[in-house]
Formats: sequence, C-alpha cells, structure tokens
Amino acid sequence: KQEVTQIPAALSVPEGENLVLNCSFTDSAIYNLQWFRQDPGKGLTSLLLIQSSQREQTSGRLNASLDKSSGRSTLYIAASQPGDSATYLCALGGSARQLTFGSGTQLTVLP
Amino acid sequence: GAVVSQHPSWVICKSGTSVKIECRSLDFQATTMFWYRQFPKQSLMLMATSNEGSKATYEQGVEKDKFLINHASLTLSTLTVTSAHPEDSSFYICSARASEWGTDTQYFGPGTRLTVL
Repeated sequence: KQEVTQIPAALSVPEGENLVLNCSFTDSAIYNLQWFRQDPGKGLTSLLLIQSSQREQTSGRLNASLDKSSGRSTLYIAASQPGDSATYLCALGGSARQLTFGSGTQLTVLP
Repeated sequence: GAVVSQHPSWVICKSGTSVKIECRSLDFQATTMFWYRQFPKQSLMLMATSNEGSKATYEQGVEKDKFLINHASLTLSTLTVTSAHPEDSSFYICSARASEWGTDTQYFGPGTRLTVL
C-alpha cells in the first residue's frame, strides 16, 4: 500500500524567500505524481503533474522534481509571495489513476 | 480550462437522513470520477472510483451501502450518504478525469461540506 509523507507539516517564511517542500513515498511503481494547492475550505488546484518517465516540471515560479529510485519529490517555490499561502499536497497516481495523497504542508508567507 | 462543479457547497442535516451530493464536469466528458473525503486537518482519502455506466469501486473500509455512488452520464456522478450520522460530517470532494483529452490530469470540484447534527 502506497504511503505518502510530506515534510514539514507547516512552514512560515518571509516574503521573497525561495523554499522547498518535500514529499516521500514508499512504492516507486507509480503512474504519475501531482502537486496540488488547497486554500482553506476549498477544493484543490493542480499545480504540476510529472509523469512517471519524467524528472521534473516547471510552471512559472514553481518547479517540481521526481526521483522514483529514492521515492522523493520536491516542490520548489521561487520568490514566495503572500498569495502563495495555502496547503500544498502531493499525490501519487496509481495504475487505476487513483490518487494517494500526502498529509500536506501548510505554507504561510509573511508580508 | 476544465471545470468541475459540486452541489451543494454545504449542507446541514439531521442524523438519520440521507444527503445527495452532485459532481458535474461542465465542459468535458469524464468516464471516470473519484470521490474523496477530508476530515479537519487531514488529507484527502479516496472513497471510491466511479466509472460511467458501471458499479463504483470502493476503497477498503468504505461502506458501499452507506455511500451510494451513481455515475449515470459522462458528466454527472452523485454520492448519496444514507442514514447520515455525526461521524459522517466531513468535506467531500469529487474529481473527474478528462478522458477525451487523453490526459491523466484530474480536475477537482470545490467540495461539499456536510454537517450532520
């Protein structure tokens, strides 16, 4: 059974800092990995999707990497802004396209 | 972009009653929809996978007779919580896979907050 861990559980940084969120998983037989953003009481917004054969994806200030051999993924956020404050979830896609989510990292960017 | 809606966005009901939640893909067809549950301060847990025209596949520990899922069309899936109890109070989120675009991206609805008194 796939288990997904996200560290740290919470992170507070001043505006403008670059930061890294970590995600580790136990089963490397994945179909893909996605990073999501969830605002309080809201649904999920997909940020980046990395297919199993890929190593990284970039979108604007976000860069996500995937290392299946070590069971790790990182989400790098450059020049953080207060609007980036949210909970960030990583999710592993299985063969049936079902997603297994981590517990999330709650990010607060202080102005 | 792909939009998934849920209705209602929040509902309060009495213990013992049934509640139906709708999940719609507004601008694409979704042969597969997923239902998740999220308790406060916890992550999303997959409840079931719903394929259009067939029975839903439930995750271990999820009672299929309590959480009835119907996926009658390519744009609509419903989750009915039968005989709801306070412990069923949670945030229910659906997602839809845009099969017609040949992508594995799942698009999530805004969620439905259920409170059972």
